[in-house]
Amino acid sequence: GENVEQHPSTLSVQEGDSAVIKCTYSDSASNYFPWYKQELGKGPQLIIDIRSNVGEKKDQRIAVTLNKTAKHFSLHITETQPEDSAVYFCAAGLYDKVIFGPGTSLSVIP
Amino acid sequence: ETGVTQSPTHLIKTRGQQVTLRCSSQSGHNTVSWYQQALGQGPQFIFQYYREEENGRGNFPPRFSGLQFPNYSSELNVNALELDDSALYLCASSLGAQGPTDTQYFGPGTRLTVL
Repeated sequence: GENVEQHPSTLSVQEGDSAVIKCTYSDSASNYFPWYKQELGKGPQLIIDIRSNVGEKKDQRIAVTLNKTAKHFSLHITETQPEDSAVYFCAAGLYDKVIFGPGTSLSVIP
Repeated sequence: ETGVTQSPTHLIKTRGQQVTLRCSSQSGHNTVSWYQQALGQGPQFIFQYYREEENGRGNFPPRFSGLQFPNYSSELNVNALELDDSALYLCASSLGAQGPTDTQYFGPGTRLTVL
């Protein structure tokens, strides 16, 4: 069945450094790729998304890249801050279904 | 905040019981999706409702059922609870009919523990 893999599972960076999280998906028909941030005790919050007709999207310190041929996409966070510490989930979707990755726990060390 | 609320926050049930979880979507959002999130894992899609009709379902058995009401509230019902049903249950609302592939706004979740 459809599968989304996500790496690394945990990531620690110094404040101000960049963080990169990578995901691969199995269903080549997927056309929607959101990224969610989940803080402790809260539901996931959409931080950025990209659709398959776009290769890259940027929103301030956050950027996402998509390689449809290789079926992988990545989240880049620049100038990390302590408030970026959370669990990040990638997902791949088509029509009415989205499959989430297992998550990456990001810690930003002040 | 997303404007999506869920109740209760926490719930403890015993195996075999039935449970109802509630969600209040953003006003104007016609689709509500429900997810199960086991500890340390990503959310898994249970089903979605669009204008009070189920129009998409993940790999969950029929004992997981739902309702959506005209006032943008919805319910997730689980019958014959099993220990593996222990998880965080999330609802998400969205404007269009696609649900998960539209921009979704998640609630804070209900933590269900089955003993």
